[in-house]
Amino acid sequence: GAGVSQSPSNKVTEKGKDVELRCDPISGHTALYWYRQSLGQGLEFLIYFQGNSAPDKSGLPSDRFSAERTGGSVSTLTIQRTQQEDSAVYLCASGGPRTDTQYFGPGTRLTVL
Amino acid sequence: QKEVEQDPGPLSVPEGAIVSLNCTYSNSAFQYFMWYRQYSRKGPELLMYTYSSGNKEDGRFTAQVDKSSKYISLFIRDSQPSDSATYLCAMSKRGSGGGADGLTFGKGTHLIIQP
Repeated sequence: GAGVSQSPSNKVTEKGKDVELRCDPISGHTALYWYRQSLGQGLEFLIYFQGNSAPDKSGLPSDRFSAERTGGSVSTLTIQRTQQEDSAVYLCASGGPRTDTQYFGPGTRLTVL
Repeated sequence: QKEVEQDPGPLSVPEGAIVSLNCTYSNSAFQYFMWYRQYSRKGPELLMYTYSSGNKEDGRFTAQVDKSSKYISLFIRDSQPSDSATYLCAMSKRGSGGGADGLTFGKGTHLIIQP
């Protein structure tokens, strides 16, 4: 594909439910990033994947958040037992190997009722 | 104090004006400085990237970094209504991607160019 794609584009869920957000990076990109953009808070870095290496999970806001990347390509961000404060736009970006620059997807807008 | 401070605006200017956007930061370890533009309901797109101090020009856009003052700026000349968007500054210690630390963003300035 031409760019980073994310699905779903919008997700409305009830408090306490689990959600999965998907990111398809640009083909050939080895680096993959997840960010959260909350109203009035700017972008908050969550986690980084480089190829198939295990990520540093210290940036995830709580143990309800987890992320994985299969085969060094597609990534899934999972939020368990969602809370209203999880409502935000979740952005994925990919980059490399020839450029360090991050290219962002359109984001998934998550609303927790 | 947040690591990166950016006035959220909105900043409203007439078409054709020169726009000045800026950010201040507190972490002297930042070496890589970026400006992203974000349209409503879209992901951020990279506009300018500067390493360390100095100026960089690309068309109507000029980025300036003053590490001694911990201050970065983006200037837009001959502003157009299509420049109306949110402008985010971002910085890192480890390259324009940020590596394992990711990028540290300002909150963004909402810019409106009046026709």
